[in-house]
Amino acid sequence: ETGVTQSPTHLIKTRGQQVTLRCSSQSGHNTVSWYQQALGQGPQFIFQYYREEENGRGNFPPRFSGLQFPNYSSELNVNALELDDSALYLCASSTGGVETQYFGPGTRLLVL
Amino acid sequence: RKEVEQDPGPFNVPEGATVAFNCTYSNSASQSFFWYRQDCRKEPKLLMSVYSSGNEDGRFTAQLNRASQYISLLIRDSKLSDSATYLCVVNIDTGRRALTFGSGTRLQVQP
Repeated sequence: ETGVTQSPTHLIKTRGQQVTLRCSSQSGHNTVSWYQQALGQGPQFIFQYYREEENGRGNFPPRFSGLQFPNYSSELNVNALELDDSALYLCASSTGGVETQYFGPGTRLLVL
Repeated sequence: RKEVEQDPGPFNVPEGATVAFNCTYSNSASQSFFWYRQDCRKEPKLLMSVYSSGNEDGRFTAQLNRASQYISLLIRDSKLSDSATYLCVVNIDTGRRALTFGSGTRLQVQP
């Protein structure tokens, strides 16, 4: 196991609601990246946090936001949920270099 | 055009077969290259990094051709446990320091 944990494992929300997903990084890792994986697709980069600061963002609207805490755990917040937000949300921790990212088990979000 | 393109498969092969997956990437500034494996409804796991000189890990061999912007993965002596989706991944070092994934190639090894 990677030591990266995510909660909750599954979530069902309705359109327009807000959701918060959580990630605990592997011990010693100071960087957390978030990815969205739609069914049948590869993961897509949402954003990355390094030492509590956003360190890059993919092509996602501002209603996707996040933060990182002093212990390097992280949250992903999504406002005004849309049906297309239904996906597996993955976080990955690393030591700042991209060379190796370790993924958590993911949170499956279903928006009805 | 997708930044990383893979044949989605599925590749259905018998146990013991040799199977090869290919992947192309569009950004010549890509810096690092990987193959990840993803089992059904699980998270991606790093299978191996890919180097210009090529590298081998047991039954798995990865090759990189920077001139053609092409990455390959060869699996020899396929096992039932190799059944999974194989994701081709590149790091485009534009400051985002993020991984760009292909859509994956599904492999089904049959007894």
